[in-house]
Amino acid sequence: SAVISQKPSRDICQRGTSLTIQCQVDSQVTMMFWYRQQPGQSLTLIATANQGSEATYESGFVIDKFPISRPNLTFSTLTVSNMSPEDSSIYLCSAGGVLNTGELFFGEGSRLTVL
Amino acid sequence: EDQVTQSPEALRLQEGESSSLNCSYTVSGLRGLFWYRQDPGKGPEFLFTLYSAGEEKEKERLKATLTKKESFLHITAPKPEDSATYLCAVHGSSNTGKLIFGQGTTLQVKP
Repeated sequence: SAVISQKPSRDICQRGTSLTIQCQVDSQVTMMFWYRQQPGQSLTLIATANQGSEATYESGFVIDKFPISRPNLTFSTLTVSNMSPEDSSIYLCSAGGVLNTGELFFGEGSRLTVL
Repeated sequence: EDQVTQSPEALRLQEGESSSLNCSYTVSGLRGLFWYRQDPGKGPEFLFTLYSAGEEKEKERLKATLTKKESFLHITAPKPEDSATYLCAVHGSSNTGKLIFGQGTTLQVKP
């Protein structure tokens, strides 16, 4: 199994600011994804982080709002830009997936509160 | 469009009272159905992957089964520590490694 570390685990942010979340995996993985989990809701895929190229975004998510980097096979960042209270959520990094071992593992999440 | 629907949304059981959680799915070419457990404030914890109809997998008090339209997570003689939200997700042939999640079933087991 893959161990996934996310930083920060939680933060309180001011409206209009941006925050970058880091995700480190303890082994090389083919796939990395970023999910959002709003309070009391299930997981919604934001984007697939592609190594060395632009991320692939899901409908409703755009690069200007959620820029993603993946410089190598074990590390990715998600930035939440120009935050508003609606961005208050848990952001989860995941890695692995059916193109690796068939299992997708998750980090503990980053809980963002925007005031 | 791939869809996953879980029922019930919430389930309360007495300790030892067995039950099942349902996951109905619509997907173009199922490549895998996944069950996760999520505790409050934690990331989802992988439980099972099922790949084809008729497949079953077990882990302690949990057994997952799969048909062509749905999956069940059977919980036998649950304990309070089984209380959590259980998430179902599918990977379809139209996707590239990504999972589509259902809304989850929140299970509470009372002693």
